[in-house]
Amino acid sequence: DTGVSQDPRHKITKRGQNVTFRCDPISEHNRLYWYRQTLGQGPEFLTYFQNEAQLEKSRLLSDRFSAERPKGSFSTLEIQRTEQGDSAMYLCASSLGTGMYSPLHFGNGTRLTVT
Amino acid sequence: AQSVSQHNHHVILSEAASLELGCNYSYGGTVNLFWYVQYPGQHLQLLLKYFSGDPLVKGIKGFEAEFIKSKFSFNLRKPSVQWSDTAEYFCAVNAGGTSYGKLTFGQGTILTVHP
Repeated sequence: DTGVSQDPRHKITKRGQNVTFRCDPISEHNRLYWYRQTLGQGPEFLTYFQNEAQLEKSRLLSDRFSAERPKGSFSTLEIQRTEQGDSAMYLCASSLGTGMYSPLHFGNGTRLTVT
Repeated sequence: AQSVSQHNHHVILSEAASLELGCNYSYGGTVNLFWYVQYPGQHLQLLLKYFSGDPLVKGIKGFEAEFIKSKFSFNLRKPSVQWSDTAEYFCAVNAGGTSYGKLTFGQGTILTVHP
């Protein structure tokens, strides 16, 4: 178990630029989740995938955000035309979705700073 | 929609002191309840969970939590804390019938334990 890997660890970008983050889940995990955490707050659910299918998106996820998991393995989260309010830690988590409970395994996150 | 409130933002204790961190949630239906912990520089990890049955649940490292349905509470306790318990603790709720990984987190409580 090599854990959930996220890349990059830190990203600084200027307002208006596009950014893309990558998440590599634990290899046998078919469910993958994206969360966002701002300073002083707990993580907020953004979206999740079962295999390559995006099953749910939060209303927090504006049109500028898009997530993909093309082959049911790694996932990318893209933010277009970044705004200062997008500055946050973006967390990825994975689990084995079999109908029985399987704990979430979180990555260390990608910290985005929009200047 | 559900919400979670954690009563204390920062708790400071000396080693061997007893700990209780408050958590209240707002949701009218069936819930699954969790406590997650984030040690300095590490990823979020599951401390304990409650789905059904005995409302007193035990987790790792001597932590326990009690679900009191009438109070919509799920407080975390430990009889005697150690310096290594210094971390941020998050209470989280999952609405019954939704994906186990779709969680609503509280704001977090930072615990500092002095040796």
